[in-house]
Amino acid sequence: DTGVSQDPRHKITKRGQNVTFRCDPISEHNRLYWYRQTLGQGPEFLTYFQNEAQLEKSRLLSDRFSAERPKGSFSTLEIQRTEQGDSAMYLCASSRGSSEQYFGPGTRLTVT
Amino acid sequence: GENVGLHLPTLSVQEGDNSIINCAYSNSASDYFIWYKQESGKGPQFIIDIRSNMDKRQGQRVTVLLNKTVKHLSLQIAATQPGDSAVYFCASEGNAGNMLTFGGGTRLMVKP
Repeated sequence: DTGVSQDPRHKITKRGQNVTFRCDPISEHNRLYWYRQTLGQGPEFLTYFQNEAQLEKSRLLSDRFSAERPKGSFSTLEIQRTEQGDSAMYLCASSRGSSEQYFGPGTRLTVT
Repeated sequence: GENVGLHLPTLSVQEGDNSIINCAYSNSASDYFIWYKQESGKGPQFIIDIRSNMDKRQGQRVTVLLNKTVKHLSLQIAATQPGDSAVYFCASEGNAGNMLTFGGGTRLMVKP
């Protein structure tokens, strides 16, 4: 399967802990996006990369959130000092330039 | 800002019938629209897209219609099948770069 992959698929953590998620985009895609989705809602944009450069960040991305794509391939999203409000599905998508975005299966985060 | 929304939260259709899912958007500057299908526990799956220089685009069993005058987008699914049961989101490309703005979703239920 050469689609977008995300790891882990599920993460349960205690409030105050740090978590890190990984996304592996489709290999020839130079753009990578992170979205957050809460139950019953559509995904909300967080940030995106073109190659290794982080070009845009949403106001939803507080200082506790950081994303990297060091080699322009996989990306990580870290949440520091997690809060219960961070509980959501974190989705990664990739695209070749401005073409359609393909989404991964998501990482479901539960903060207890 | 941009607002993309859906008229109906739930749509129930008989297997074999055609389905129509509607979406309204508010930003007249949006020039790219996409429909995604999301099954439970999975990431959104690209269905079809359309650019603002088109009024209609057809895929396999799906058609997207764009009415720029009233800022309305619809997804038509022909001969709806049980496998079409999912939540459908419309999304549009925002003003700043390639971020997508999603609506709240419509749940399609197909009755056998």
